[in-house]
Amino acid sequence: GAGVSQSPSNKVTEKGKDVELRCDPISGHTALYWYRQSLGQGLEFLIYFQGNSAPDKSGLPSDRFSAERTGGSVSTLTIQRTQQEDSAVYLCASSPSSGQGNQPQHFGDGTRLSIL
Amino acid sequence: GNSVTQMEGPVTLSEEAFLTINCTYTATGYPSLFWYVQYPGEGLQLLLKATKADDKGSNKGFEATYRKETTSFHLEKGSVQVSDSAVYFCALSLNDYKLSFGAGTTVTVRA
Repeated sequence: GAGVSQSPSNKVTEKGKDVELRCDPISGHTALYWYRQSLGQGLEFLIYFQGNSAPDKSGLPSDRFSAERTGGSVSTLTIQRTQQEDSAVYLCASSPSSGQGNQPQHFGDGTRLSIL
Repeated sequence: GNSVTQMEGPVTLSEEAFLTINCTYTATGYPSLFWYVQYPGEGLQLLLKATKADDKGSNKGFEATYRKETTSFHLEKGSVQVSDSAVYFCALSLNDYKLSFGAGTTVTVRA
């Protein structure tokens, strides 16, 4: 079946602009995660959605970052007033989430964001 | 907090050599442990997992055993191939929650 789909695959934008990154999880997966992969910081957790519960936003690096998940499916990560340090690969993952700690997360190919 | 420490790279090997990548963890509770792999130009893929102490995960000739007493989950493969060249990430999660990743180890296998 289809995996996690992310768009765009690449995004180049000027400093100060807003960007929106999209994630379409695997159908039926209730848990959705955003991570960031950058050279200096490795793989960092950003935000977690589980069903209809309030999201865990504890990994968002600043208030310029926000995310929403509509209808329990598609998610959008928005970065406002982008800065050069926002340049990274943004990864989305989803899982069935059994609540027992044994469900692997399935990753999309990521969006490579470059801030000029 | 939860954290993962894995062997620094890069690692360069010849084909058919033995590969070990060390991984140790710190966690409050009993985590599930994972190895993810990122091949050149591709996304992160699950390689193997173990969900409780003494479990052995295996896939594509790779193995890792969940050692609670040493808080370790070392990755091994007896005979590597050029196609195993990739970045390998050790990770843990508690209760289907966010993954905490190690820094990643770049492995290059020469023909």
